[in-house]
Amino acid sequence: QVQLQESGPGLVKPSGTLSLTCAVSGGSISSGNWWSWVRQPPGKGLEWIGEIYHSGSPNYNPSLKSRVTISVDKSNNQFSLRLSSVTAADTAVYFCARVRFGNWFDPWGQGTQVTVSS
Amino acid sequence: IVLTQSPATLSLSPGDRATLSCEASRSVSGSFLAWYQQKPGLAPRLLIYDASSRATGIPDRFSGSGSGTDFTLTISRLEPEDFAVYYCQQYGSSPRTFGQGTKLEIK
Repeated sequence: QVQLQESGPGLVKPSGTLSLTCAVSGGSISSGNWWSWVRQPPGKGLEWIGEIYHSGSPNYNPSLKSRVTISVDKSNNQFSLRLSSVTAADTAVYFCARVRFGNWFDPWGQGTQVTVSS
Repeated sequence: IVLTQSPATLSLSPGDRATLSCEASRSVSGSFLAWYQQKPGLAPRLLIYDASSRATGIPDRFSGSGSGTDFTLTISRLEPEDFAVYYCQQYGSSPRTFGQGTKLEIK
């Protein structure tokens, strides 16, 4: 079965760029699915960041669009998130997830905590 | 589409029936709505998709219903492991959005 695992720095300085990678195992990233990032600030709800198809066509949440880049690395079966000009408001647990049939999220990675602080 | 979940917190006992609501600010096309369960420190888990279809491995005490702007997640008889936070999510319109969550706590 497909499993996802996030990785990346847990601490990013204000005004810097957050970079995370999601490794996909148990299946191919080119299997016809969309792949997504979702975040959860401490004690708060879930926010969809964006998604990408294996061919590289991304969709972004308009609220973050100016700062987000999602890309696919088919050779390493992974996809990545870059979020620029970060502030404390970007502190959150970041999850990657497969978008099943282009609709719901399943499965999810375990999540990775990213703190924005100097 | 803004999703509003109610109540924010629901206090019940094991064996009780739980009814969680999710109201959309405008109609969710195709009943494209999912429900997730999240326990502390863990990722969300898919329970229901397309408003009423149970995901693989989800017990039949979980059921979803609704269409248009009003959706409901029902847990027929609460087990101790069901106490968690529940989120609804719509995928009928872009951007995908989540409700703010309902915390189901032990009374």
